[in-house]
Amino acid sequence: GENVEQHPSTLSVQEGDSAVIKCTYSDSASNYFPWYKQELGKGPQLIIDIRSNVGEKKDQRIAVTLNKTAKHFSLHITETQPEDSAVYFCAASKGGGKLIFGQGTELSVKP
Amino acid sequence: GAGVSQSPSNKVTEKGKDVELRCDPISGHTALYWYRQSLGQGLEFLIYFQGNSAPDKSGLPSDRFSAERTGGSVSTLTIQRTQQEDSAVYLCASSLVKYEQYFGPGTRLTVT
Repeated sequence: GENVEQHPSTLSVQEGDSAVIKCTYSDSASNYFPWYKQELGKGPQLIIDIRSNVGEKKDQRIAVTLNKTAKHFSLHITETQPEDSAVYFCAASKGGGKLIFGQGTELSVKP
Repeated sequence: GAGVSQSPSNKVTEKGKDVELRCDPISGHTALYWYRQSLGQGLEFLIYFQGNSAPDKSGLPSDRFSAERTGGSVSTLTIQRTQQEDSAVYLCASSLVKYEQYFGPGTRLTVT
């Protein structure tokens, strides 16, 4: 069935360093890949997304890359700050329907 | 503008009781989704509404779970005869265009 694998499950970086989170999806028909940031006690917040007709998208310090052939996509955060600390989820969907989520990555940015 | 709102924020109920969880989507958003977040299962899809109809109910875990949406706006998720394994955070999301889903803060359900 549909599956999204996310790695690593935890990531600790020093402030100012870069962080990379990777996901792999199983359904080749998936065409939309959002990333969410979830802070404690809050709902997931959409931070960036990419569609299958694009290989890379950037928004200030965050970027997402997509390799359709390998069915991989990644989130890159540069110049990390303590407020970037949260749990990050990747997801995949087909045609705007249900999202299939990865297991989450707990990012800790140490000052 | 106002985001997705959910009520109650917390609900404690006894095993066997029925509960209703409410979602108010962003005004004008035609699509509405329910998800469940638990420690062991991560974020799981439950049901999707387009307008008042539900073209995808594939994630509802049992016939104790049902949902409806009226007037193309508010949605209610009902869990009958609650069980301890129903304890989780229930999240609602809405979207205007086909893809971007915006989540509410969730309802934390605890079944004792």
